[in-house]
Amino acid sequence: GEDVEQSLFLSVREGDSSVINCTYTDSSSTYLYWYKQEPGAGLQLLTYIFSNMDMKQDQRLTVLLNKKDKHLSLRIADTQTGDSAIYFCAGQNRDDKIIFGKGTRLHILP
Amino acid sequence: DAGVTQSPTHLIKTRGQHVTLRCSPISGHKSVSWYQQVLGQGPQFIFQYYEKEERGRGNFPDRFSARQFPNYSSELNVNALLLGDSALYLCASSFPSTGELFFGEGSRLTVL
Repeated sequence: GEDVEQSLFLSVREGDSSVINCTYTDSSSTYLYWYKQEPGAGLQLLTYIFSNMDMKQDQRLTVLLNKKDKHLSLRIADTQTGDSAIYFCAGQNRDDKIIFGKGTRLHILP
Repeated sequence: DAGVTQSPTHLIKTRGQHVTLRCSPISGHKSVSWYQQVLGQGPQFIFQYYEKEERGRGNFPDRFSARQFPNYSSELNVNALLLGDSALYLCASSFPSTGELFFGEGSRLTVL
C-alpha cells in the first residue's frame, strides 16, 4: 500500500525559507497534497500538484515534484510566525484513497 | 459558506461504551471520508462514502462502522470503545474529480 514519509521536525528562522520534504511509494498517485494543521484544529489544504507537473507556485508556496525519485517538497518563502504548524504530505493510493504522512512540525525561531 | 461541520467537538466516554460522531459536508459535495488522528500521528483513513455507498475502508476493526444519508451527511459509529480509540476523528468532504479533501475541525474523543 501507499506509504508517505516525512521528517518530523524543522526549525527555521523568521524570514528564511522553509523546505519540507516528503517521499511516497505509490507511483500511481494522480495528485499529491500538502495540508497544514494548527494546534487544536482540523487540516487545511495548502496546495496540491498534479502528477504530470514538476513544479507549482502559489504566492509564498512552491511545490516541487520529482516523480522519478518519488520525492515531493514544499518551500515556504519568507517564513512567518503564523507558519508555525504541522505540515502533512499526502498522496493517493491505488484505491484513490488519500494517505497522509506523520507530519513535519515547523518551528519558527525569532 | 459553511465548511464541513462535525459534532460533537469534544466528548468523553468510558471503555465498552458506544459513540456516534456526525458530519455535514460542504454543500454540493457528495463524498465523505473519515480519518482517525492519534496524538502525534498523521490522519489514518477509516472510511469513504460516496452517494451513500461505501467506497473504501481502512485497516480498522468491525467495531467501526459508518453510513451516509440522502442529504450526504454521515455518521461514524464506534462500539465497545477501547482506550486506544482516544483520538481526533476528522471528517472530510470532497469532489470526486480532484480528490482534494476539505476537513472539519474534528471530534476529539477521550476514552477513560
